[in-house]
Amino acid sequence: AQSVTQLGSHVSVSEGALVLLRCNYSSSVPPYLFWYVQYPNQGLQLLLKYTSAATLVKGINGFEAEFKKSETSFHLTKPSAHMSDAAEYFCAVSPNAGNNRKLIWGLGTSLAVNP
Amino acid sequence: KAGVTQTPRYLIKTRGQQVTLSCSPISGHRSVSWYQQTPGQGLQFLFEYFSETQRNKGNFPGRFSGRQFSNSRSEMNVSTLELGDSALYLCASSLGPRGGIDTQYFGPGTRLTVL
Repeated sequence: AQSVTQLGSHVSVSEGALVLLRCNYSSSVPPYLFWYVQYPNQGLQLLLKYTSAATLVKGINGFEAEFKKSETSFHLTKPSAHMSDAAEYFCAVSPNAGNNRKLIWGLGTSLAVNP
Repeated sequence: KAGVTQTPRYLIKTRGQQVTLSCSPISGHRSVSWYQQTPGQGLQFLFEYFSETQRNKGNFPGRFSGRQFSNSRSEMNVSTLELGDSALYLCASSLGPRGGIDTQYFGPGTRLTVL
């Protein structure tokens, strides 16, 4: 069975500092991996996704993530945090084959950006 | 192009009642998925519809049901409401039938409170 673990339910960084949000997955088949962001009182928005092409994936708003098969990780990074990055971030996994390709979600990481 | 719309945005019901939530996908999208989001459980997959057919279902009791119409609009129904059903219900649409692989576009959600 697939699962996703996001390490740290709350992360706090200073404006301009590196953002690192951790995601580890378990999957019996090669997965697709996603990062979504949720701003207060809004739905989720796709930041980026890994679909077995390049292992370093660039997304919107300056975010990127690297797929590391040996570590079963897909951590999200941004070199310099902005106040507008404060939000909830979700990592999700889906198998890239088979009939049951629903998304399995992590519990989320709340990012706070301090001035 | 208009985004995913969900109505109503807020609902207050009492235990034992039933409720129907509505979702209009992005024009041209034929797949609609529903999720329940709670602070303790995070995002949990309810079901997915494509071309009026349920393609996938999560682990929820039979009180939770849904349907999709020929214009791709979808409704979900919860009967005999329980306190634990209080949550944000999110709808997401995507172009094709590939479940979690396709990029999903989320609506703002319906906040259901059960008293």
